Amino acid sequence: KQEVTQIPAALSVPEGENLVLNCSFTDSAIYNLQWFRQDPGKGLTSLLLIQSSQREQTSGRLNASLDKSSGRSTLYIAASQPGDSATYLCAVRSNSNSGYALNFGKGTSLLVTP
Amino acid sequence: GAGVSQSPSNKVTEKGKDVELRCDPISGHTALYWYRQSLGQGLEFLIYFQGNSAPDKSGLPSDRFSAERTGGSVSTLTIQRTQQEDSAVYLCASSLRTGGEKLFFGSGTQLSVL
Repeated sequence: KQEVTQIPAALSVPEGENLVLNCSFTDSAIYNLQWFRQDPGKGLTSLLLIQSSQREQTSGRLNASLDKSSGRSTLYIAASQPGDSATYLCAVRSNSNSGYALNFGKGTSLLVTP
Repeated sequence: GAGVSQSPSNKVTEKGKDVELRCDPISGHTALYWYRQSLGQGLEFLIYFQGNSAPDKSGLPSDRFSAERTGGSVSTLTIQRTQQEDSAVYLCASSLRTGGEKLFFGSGTQLSVL
């Protein structure tokens, strides 16, 4: 079974810092990987989607990388802002017969202080 | 609609009662997913619908849980004889089709079983 781990569980940084969130997965036979953001009491918002054939995706101040062979992905946030405070979730879709389900990590809770 | 809509947003029920949770996906999205998010846990896959195909029910935790999707659009998740361990946020998501597409999540239903 695919296991997804996110480190750290929580992170607090001052505004303006660049930061990296880590995601690791145990089965490298993946179809794609997504990074989501979840605000308190809200659903998830998809930030970046990386297909298995891709190495990275960028959107604004966000950059996600994928190293499938080592089972790792990172989400890089440049010039962090208080509005970036949220929980960030990594999810992997595996190449299995029942590959519809995304396997989620437990998330990294990010606090950006003014 | 503009996004995935879930109702009710909050539901408090007594142990042993049945509950129905509703999800209205984005118009035109053929794939629909139900996930459960328990306090301190990652998202847990429950069930997946794709068009008129038989649903993937592999994530349903017990036979007290069932779901249907009428007319390929609105979905209802039913929990019979609710237990306290069923308390969680139930999230619905949809995508254009299965595969490499982004998932769009609703805001969820917070279920509390007393």
